Amino acid sequence: NAGVTQTPKFRVLKTGQSMTLLCAQDMNHEYMYWYRQDPGMGLRLIHYSVGEGTTAKGEVPDGYNVSRLKKQNFLLGLESAAPSQTSVYFCATRTSFYNEQFFGPGTRLTVL
Amino acid sequence: GEDVEQSLFLSVREGDSSVINCTYTDSSSTYLYWYKQEPGAGLQLLTYIFSNMDMKQDQRLTVLLNKKDKHLSLRIADTQTGDSAIYFCAEFYGANNLFFGTGTRLTVIP
Repeated sequence: NAGVTQTPKFRVLKTGQSMTLLCAQDMNHEYMYWYRQDPGMGLRLIHYSVGEGTTAKGEVPDGYNVSRLKKQNFLLGLESAAPSQTSVYFCATRTSFYNEQFFGPGTRLTVL
Repeated sequence: GEDVEQSLFLSVREGDSSVINCTYTDSSSTYLYWYKQEPGAGLQLLTYIFSNMDMKQDQRLTVLLNKKDKHLSLRIADTQTGDSAIYFCAEFYGANNLFFGTGTRLTVIP
């Protein structure tokens, strides 16, 4: 089992470009999350999903969109990247029975 | 909103005990967690404590919870160089989500 995977691992964008980060899980978990991690600020929740076809805003949703068309995938989109979106992005999943979240390895994004 | 505070850095000598502290704001949190992040990796759950417990021990790890002061601590006994990492406390809030602290970077000096 791969667990939670994220692609790509690294990406450099220019301001105004768009991209999509993919999170995939093979654990059949209902809940999926996107976080960003910035130095000295811990992890902040961007968007989350409680099941296929659902999404909800987290703490810092502006500038991002998400989609959960299939249960195993959760996509995070940046329509027009800004330097403030330079960060490390983590995906996480959990079941509806337990609160433990399982994290992917992260995507390091730099916006120039 | 939620606020989870941690000190940013801690250095200890190999073999000593480490104590990482955390304060949180939501007294209705049902679960509180400690996660470990090694360099270049995602977070891994270390341990958790239910809010009706005062202490939980798991091998070298001891979690203490003071609900009155909203204070959580993680003690690592006999700290090893492999324990060097960033440690996050987190509280479960609302119906679905975790709120993470800023993380404490633990450096173990050989």
